[in-house]
Amino acid sequence: EAQVTQNPRYLITVTGKKLTVTCSQNMNHEYMSWYRQDPGLGLRQIYYSMNVEVTDKGDVPEGYKVSRKEKRNFPLILESPSPNQTSLYFCASSLGQGASREQFFGPGTRLTVL
Amino acid sequence: QQQVKQSPQSLIVQKGGIPIINCAYENTAFDYFPWYQQFPGKGPALLIAIRPDVSEKKEGRFTISFNKSAKQFSLHIMDSQPGDSATYFCAASIIFFRGSTLGRLYFGRGTQLTVWP
Repeated sequence: EAQVTQNPRYLITVTGKKLTVTCSQNMNHEYMSWYRQDPGLGLRQIYYSMNVEVTDKGDVPEGYKVSRKEKRNFPLILESPSPNQTSLYFCASSLGQGASREQFFGPGTRLTVL
Repeated sequence: QQQVKQSPQSLIVQKGGIPIINCAYENTAFDYFPWYQQFPGKGPALLIAIRPDVSEKKEGRFTISFNKSAKQFSLHIMDSQPGDSATYFCAASIIFFRGSTLGRLYFGRGTQLTVWP
């Protein structure tokens, strides 16, 4: 089944404890992106990747890191999480190299930072 | 600065009604305007998208109307059903700029639609 998977789906952690949210797609998509969703703010883009080894900042990159060493994987790293990073995170992928194609979203990761 | 402004924040209609969700943008370089639908506990999914070279696009009961001069676009849901109850997001992006495809997708803040039976 063609899909985007994220792990973990739920995570509660404490301030300053490094964590990684994994994202994997099995559709051979070039483009991958991370978003955070907060009530009243909609979806905001954190980072995106047009291809392997190519990443760039979105609207809200502060406090996050990403890497794209393989086409299928695009992990999101929080080196020192803070409570303002408590949010619902979505990974997405699409066939084209840009953002202007249908994006397929993962099921989301709900992160709480205490 | 919010690139895409969406209204209303929430909308309640009766079954069979025609909810309309509006979005506005400022950047005239935007040339791809998708709408995403999100059900509770799920990721968003593409519903319908439009390019600025057409003024209207229909897919089933969903229609996008696009007004390039006003820099506005809207989603109409004909004969709305309780199963349409979801959060709807408009978005905008630029396909090409100086020969390169771009990776930014700007979302509106979302509209929570409730359709009563």
